[in-house]
Amino acid sequence: SAVISQKPSRDICQRGTSLTIQCQVDSQVTMMFWYRQQPGQSLTLIATANQGSEATYESGFVIDKFPISRPNLTFSTLTVSNMSPEDSSIYLCSVWTSGRTDTQYFGPGTRLTVL
Amino acid sequence: DAKTTQPNSMESNEEEPVHLPCNHSTISGTDYIHWYRQLPSQGPEYVIHGLTSNVNNRMASLAIAEDRKSSTLILHRATLRDAAVYYCILSVVNRDDKIIFGKGTRLHILP
Repeated sequence: SAVISQKPSRDICQRGTSLTIQCQVDSQVTMMFWYRQQPGQSLTLIATANQGSEATYESGFVIDKFPISRPNLTFSTLTVSNMSPEDSSIYLCSVWTSGRTDTQYFGPGTRLTVL
Repeated sequence: DAKTTQPNSMESNEEEPVHLPCNHSTISGTDYIHWYRQLPSQGPEYVIHGLTSNVNNRMASLAIAEDRKSSTLILHRATLRDAAVYYCILSVVNRDDKIIFGKGTRLHILP
């Protein structure tokens, strides 16, 4: 299993500002994934972050808006830049872990409200 | 990615079995069928996955049709704590593979 923590757990931000969300995993993992969950919606994958290389973004998401860092095998950050109210969402990171069952584990999420 | 289709919502009585259906008619031979669930105010959690044969674990059972074009997640005795959104997802089981979520089924448990 994996224990994933995210900081902050929630925040309220002003339009035009940026917020950096941290994701910490208790074991080394190759890939980390960032998702967004808008109110009442399912999860949408933003990007996949591999340690030591540029993140791979899904259609509709760009690096300028959601820059990602992956400095080591247990940590990643997602920045939401130049925020607007449409960015109000829950942001989650996730990782695969191996064990008896290969499965994907998710962090508790960061609830962002943009005014 | 192959698509899955699930009912938007279902209801069940507490302590009764629940059968959550999923259609995946375009499944490929290498796709595993995964189920995750998301409890209120939490991140998704793994429930079960399988390839061809039916699978059981402590949380649930997974029944897979012979042609693999559909599957059913079975909660044998639903409790109020099972109220959640259940996602049926197709993915190659690869440690670096991404998971794409559909809309899922919101399960309501009636006391």
